Amino acid sequence: EPEVTQTPSHQVTQMGQEVILRCVPISNHLYFYWYRQILGQKVEFLVSFYNNEISEKSEIFDDQFSVERPDGSNFTLKIRSTKLEDSAMYFCASSEDRGLNQPQHFGDGTRLSIL
Amino acid sequence: KQEVTQIPAALSVPEGENLVLNCSFTDSAIYNLQWFRQDPGKGLTSLLLIQSSQREQTSGRLNASLDKSSGRSTLYIAASQPGDSATYLCAVPNYGGATNKLIFGTGTLLAVQP
Repeated sequence: EPEVTQTPSHQVTQMGQEVILRCVPISNHLYFYWYRQILGQKVEFLVSFYNNEISEKSEIFDDQFSVERPDGSNFTLKIRSTKLEDSAMYFCASSEDRGLNQPQHFGDGTRLSIL
Repeated sequence: KQEVTQIPAALSVPEGENLVLNCSFTDSAIYNLQWFRQDPGKGLTSLLLIQSSQREQTSGRLNASLDKSSGRSTLYIAASQPGDSATYLCAVPNYGGATNKLIFGTGTLLAVQP
């Protein structure tokens, strides 16, 4: 069964450094998402992406965050200057439609640790 | 603003028992509700998606029900096994938004004792 893949599985970075998290969504999917889960807390929405542009973003997704789909397969999340509070599990998801009929499929996540 | 709650936060049962996990949402205007499984340190595996027009959805030993008007869904697991031990999350898409971002509950941590 097709799946969403994320790399790396674990990233350790010094505070203030830039980090790029990578995702390969399911090939025929059109909608792409990033979520994050701080340890012990709910999974929370960051951003959605459709037709090569951001469709919606949360309050968390400030100027230090950006997303890109540089080619036909990859979807990346960049954090420009990491903070300690960015430490979390970051999940990429994709779906065929806007979520009316088809489920969102999630990757295994990238655990980001900021030191 | 949609809020999703799951009760209980944790549940421990002996192997073979049938069990029910609960999910509540405050706004009954939903397109669907999705149940996920999360193993420790792992991603989210989609278990079932139940449409707002449906009352039930089944997959193997799992059965999800939905009562939109009362803002509730249940996930029934029959004949539980130790391999069912995980955190179970429910989520609803944000209704009427630009994209239907998922709003998650806090999850129920299930432990099935051999």
